[in-house]
Amino acid sequence: NAGVTQTPKFQVLKTGQSMTLQCAQDMNHEYMSWYRQDPGMGLRLIHYSVGAGITDQGEVPNGYNVSRSTTEDFPLRLLSAAPSQTSVYFCASSYSMDRGLKSHEQYFGPGTRLTVT
Amino acid sequence: AQTVTQSQPEMSVQEAETVTLSCTYDTSESDYYLFWYKQPPSRQMILVIRQEAYKQQNATENRFSVNFQKAAKSFSLKISDSQLGDAAMYFCAYRSRGYGGSQGNLIFGKGTKLSVKP
Repeated sequence: NAGVTQTPKFQVLKTGQSMTLQCAQDMNHEYMSWYRQDPGMGLRLIHYSVGAGITDQGEVPNGYNVSRSTTEDFPLRLLSAAPSQTSVYFCASSYSMDRGLKSHEQYFGPGTRLTVT
Repeated sequence: AQTVTQSQPEMSVQEAETVTLSCTYDTSESDYYLFWYKQPPSRQMILVIRQEAYKQQNATENRFSVNFQKAAKSFSLKISDSQLGDAAMYFCAYRSRGYGGSQGNLIFGKGTKLSVKP
């Protein structure tokens, strides 16, 4: 299993540009989430999905869109990038029901470092 | 809403010594999970140890152990025989036990940067 994969690993954008951060998992997890990590702030939840076709907002959703058309993929879209969106972005996945000992654990991708100039 | 607080932005330990990282949390739930994650310079999030709130016994994983005080809502991480490879950012995280809606998400503290001196 590849686990949770994210592309790209690094990205530089100019203010106003749009882009999509890709996230995929091959563990058949229903639950997928996007977090952003900023210095001194820990990881904060942007959006999450409990299954294909179902998404919801987290703590810091402004400026981001998500959709979930398949179980495997959960892309994060920046429609008009702003310098405040400079951050490291993590995608994570987990089961959405009790399937045993580790079903409550979230598995993280390697992260994407995004810089908006 | 649940919150997680790590009051030590930075800590330092001598190689082979023991260090304890602090974490407190606030919740009205009676059943939940607590985690410590390690983030080395590679930025990969690595699960170090987990604790289920209904278990009184403190979790242990090799050189890593926790002191879980449910009544005090405290969850500290002890690293014994510290090694240079332990240098990293450490995050404490909370998760509800349920699986509905937002319960599957993690709530993180702001992190503690641990340095290990040779």
